[in-house]
Amino acid sequence: AQKITQTQPGMFVQEKEAVTLDCTYDTSDQSYGLFWYKQPSSGEMIFLIYQGSYDEQNATEGRYSLNFQKARKSANLVISASQLGDSAMYFCAMRPYTGNQFYFGTGTSLTVIP
Amino acid sequence: NAGVMQNPRHLVRRRGQEARLRCSPMKGHSHVYWYRQLPEEGLKFMVYLQKENIIDESGMPKERFSAEFPKEGPSILRIQQVVRGDSAAYFCASSPRTGYLNTEAFFGQGTRLTVV
Repeated sequence: AQKITQTQPGMFVQEKEAVTLDCTYDTSDQSYGLFWYKQPSSGEMIFLIYQGSYDEQNATEGRYSLNFQKARKSANLVISASQLGDSAMYFCAMRPYTGNQFYFGTGTSLTVIP
Repeated sequence: NAGVMQNPRHLVRRRGQEARLRCSPMKGHSHVYWYRQLPEEGLKFMVYLQKENIIDESGMPKERFSAEFPKEGPSILRIQQVVRGDSAAYFCASSPRTGYLNTEAFFGQGTRLTVV
């Protein structure tokens, strides 16, 4: 069975500070991809970053980086230099290589404080 | 290069009516996925389609829900005889192919269905 766990329902961060959003996953697949999506109040799902299970280096995309610890099955999102526009829901998701679907966590609501 | 287009963005239906949600995938994408997001929850997979084929409908409720992706035109998610519990945001995603790990699915903006 595939499962994504995000244990932080809500997080606050001061503007310009860094914040880490936690994500752990459970899968018996050897090959899979890990994704983070941002959902602002307008509702759309915005792709942020991807990490493959065989990638040795942590993924980075601008201010986003993914702290991938395969042995611990964790894929935490780090947002550096937080901006007010980062306030949103953040979803971690996994997609097995052999599967057709994404498995999503329940999300973390991030609020950036001026 | 338009993204995944969903319409309508908002849909209000009375109990017992039918709801039709449309999704046009990104150009060149032949795989479509439908997800449902209940309030305060993450997205849950419903169905995966390729042109004219349902590949995986393991997340679809057994009754009242159906999906299609015809050769021409958008993918349609159809909910018959809607009930209040169907109120949710329905997202469509498309991708060029599966079995390729770093192909993220591109999501549409969602259709927010409200059943009154």
